[in-house]
Amino acid sequence: EVQLVESGGGLVQPGGSLRLSCAASGFTFSSYWMHWVRQAPGKGLVWVSRINSDGSSTSYADSVKGRFTISRDNAKNTLYLQMNSLRAEDTAVYYCARVARFDAFDIWGQGTMVTVSS
Amino acid sequence: DIQLTQSPSFLSASVGDRVTITCRASQGISSYLAWYQQKPGKAPKLLIYAASTLQSGVPSRFSGSGSGTEFTLTISSLQPEDFATYYCQQLNSYPLPFGGGTKVEIK
Repeated sequence: EVQLVESGGGLVQPGGSLRLSCAASGFTFSSYWMHWVRQAPGKGLVWVSRINSDGSSTSYADSVKGRFTISRDNAKNTLYLQMNSLRAEDTAVYYCARVARFDAFDIWGQGTMVTVSS
Repeated sequence: DIQLTQSPSFLSASVGDRVTITCRASQGISSYLAWYQQKPGKAPKLLIYAASTLQSGVPSRFSGSGSGTEFTLTISSLQPEDFATYYCQQLNSYPLPFGGGTKVEIK
């Protein structure tokens, strides 16, 4: 079964750091570009970051640029999001997603909740 | 950056109704648009990509149309399992914004 499973979320104080992981299974992870998308409680979807298949190219939303780093380990079939200098407005469910035809996101994880609060 | 304006933001409809949701881009994005369905507490699900191509396994009552700056998602006959929130997303250039969402509720 094609699957993405996120982990690493939790409660962190403002200014703190957290690393999210997204474990992929059921497909050739190293062949796909991957993204992170987040959703604040009761709000809409917001694109966060993307990485190409070999990890050599990345992009970020302005709101996280310089604070978040996307990376991947194709040997471990795992995508990461290192989040530093966290702010209250980073509080959200974070989803990882696989890129398919015409760049649409065809497979999504179940999400992991990040809460930034003192 | 390209902005997406989705309308309406809320829609009340009955089972069997034909429903249309519109997504407008602030500049031309060719056919690089996708539609997703999200139910409460669940991850989004891809319905349509390339503006009008139905994702495998998605019922044929869902259809998409448009190109350039104006796009529509149509549900030809609303079913009980279709009550959810729908989002469009442009995939033409970074960043990749989503529309604000359309919540479809039971009348």
